[in-house]
Amino acid sequence: DTGVSQDPRHKITKRGQNVTFRCDPISEHNRLYWYRQTLGQGPEFLTYFQNEAQLEKSRLLSDRFSAERPKGSFSTLEIQRTEQGDSAMYLCASSSGIKDRNTIYFGEGSWLTVV
Amino acid sequence: AQSVAQPEDQVNVAEGNPLTVKCTYSVSGNPYLFWYVQYPNRGLQFLLKYITGDNLVKGSYGFEAEFNKSQTSFHLKKPSALVSDSALYFCAVRDLDNYGQNFVFGPGTRLSVLP
Repeated sequence: DTGVSQDPRHKITKRGQNVTFRCDPISEHNRLYWYRQTLGQGPEFLTYFQNEAQLEKSRLLSDRFSAERPKGSFSTLEIQRTEQGDSAMYLCASSSGIKDRNTIYFGEGSWLTVV
Repeated sequence: AQSVAQPEDQVNVAEGNPLTVKCTYSVSGNPYLFWYVQYPNRGLQFLLKYITGDNLVKGSYGFEAEFNKSQTSFHLKKPSALVSDSALYFCAVRDLDNYGQNFVFGPGTRLSVLP
């Protein structure tokens, strides 16, 4: 059973550019989460999917951020017109809707540096 | 609203000594409580959780945690610390009676185990 996979692991981009991160959850996990973590802080919730439906969004998810999970499997998080304040690690996590549904399992994260 | 406090930014302990990392929480309903560990430049790894049942829960790598409802605490403990336990530890809570999927994380506690 492979874990949550995130790509790319590191991304350096110029301010104003768009970036996209991909997350492949644990196989058969129908719940998928995106979190953001800045240096010295705990993860902050961004959004949650159950299958392909985006059921919750944090107010941290400004209109420059969009997340999709088109087929209920992998998910993408896109940041448009990046700003230096977007520099952070973006964490994806997944959980099963049935077995052990109360535990979320994280990927290794995608580091974003906006210069 | 849910919240988690980790009152210590840093905990230092000598190898072989017992360790405690503190966590207190606030939820309106019944809590699900979790501990995760993060090594440098990595994602979060699940250690243990409390859902219901025994107040003392055991997890990975010899860690355990005690749920105390009256003190709204969920402290992480280990009888004998290892240098390899040095990492960042996060406590998290999910409000069982709030049907949202937001797991709220504390700010983290850096554990340093000295040889």
